[in-house]
Amino acid sequence: KQEVTQIPAALSVPEGENLVLNCSFTDSAIYNLQWFRQDPGKGLTSLLLIQSSQREQTSGRLNASLDKSSGRSTLYIAASQPGDSATYLCAVSLKTSYDKVIFGPGTSLSVIP
Amino acid sequence: NAGVMQNPRHLVRRRGQEARLRCSPMKGHSHVYWYRQLPEEGLKFMVYLQKENIIDESGMPKERFSAEFPKEGPSILRIQQVVRGDSAAYFCASSPTTIGTGLRGYTFGSGTRLTVV
Repeated sequence: KQEVTQIPAALSVPEGENLVLNCSFTDSAIYNLQWFRQDPGKGLTSLLLIQSSQREQTSGRLNASLDKSSGRSTLYIAASQPGDSATYLCAVSLKTSYDKVIFGPGTSLSVIP
Repeated sequence: NAGVMQNPRHLVRRRGQEARLRCSPMKGHSHVYWYRQLPEEGLKFMVYLQKENIIDESGMPKERFSAEFPKEGPSILRIQQVVRGDSAAYFCASSPTTIGTGLRGYTFGSGTRLTVV
């Protein structure tokens, strides 16, 4: 059974710091992995999608890496800003009879001005 | 393309009432997935439906919850006799195919926030 975990559960950093969020999954048979951002009471905002054949994706200050063999992904946020404060979710899509998606519990990030 | 439409955005029900949540998939998508997000938690898979068929309901609570995706119209998630513990955000996603695209094919709705008082 695929399980997705995220460490840390919560993180508070001063503005300007670089930070890393971690996501682990138990079954490496995945199609892709995606990082989302969720603001309180809101829906999901897609950040980065990494195919299983890829090692990393970058968008602006965000960089996501994927090591499928070890079941790990990291989201790197450079020069954090108060506007980055949100919950960050990772999700994986499984190679099962259909493209089932499993989410991690999220990391709650607070960037202090 | 209006994307995945969920309504209502917010729903308040008293304990014991029924809640009906609607999800209209993206045009051309025939696969619908429902997820529940309890407070301070991630999204938990509930059910996967194709038109007129429930394919995987392994995440559905055994009682009071049901889902359908009729030939015509939106997918409905129905919760009978709601209790306080049903208060959560319910997200719907749709995809055009089942195999091989994974998250690349998924489009999520904005969710319905159910509050049981």
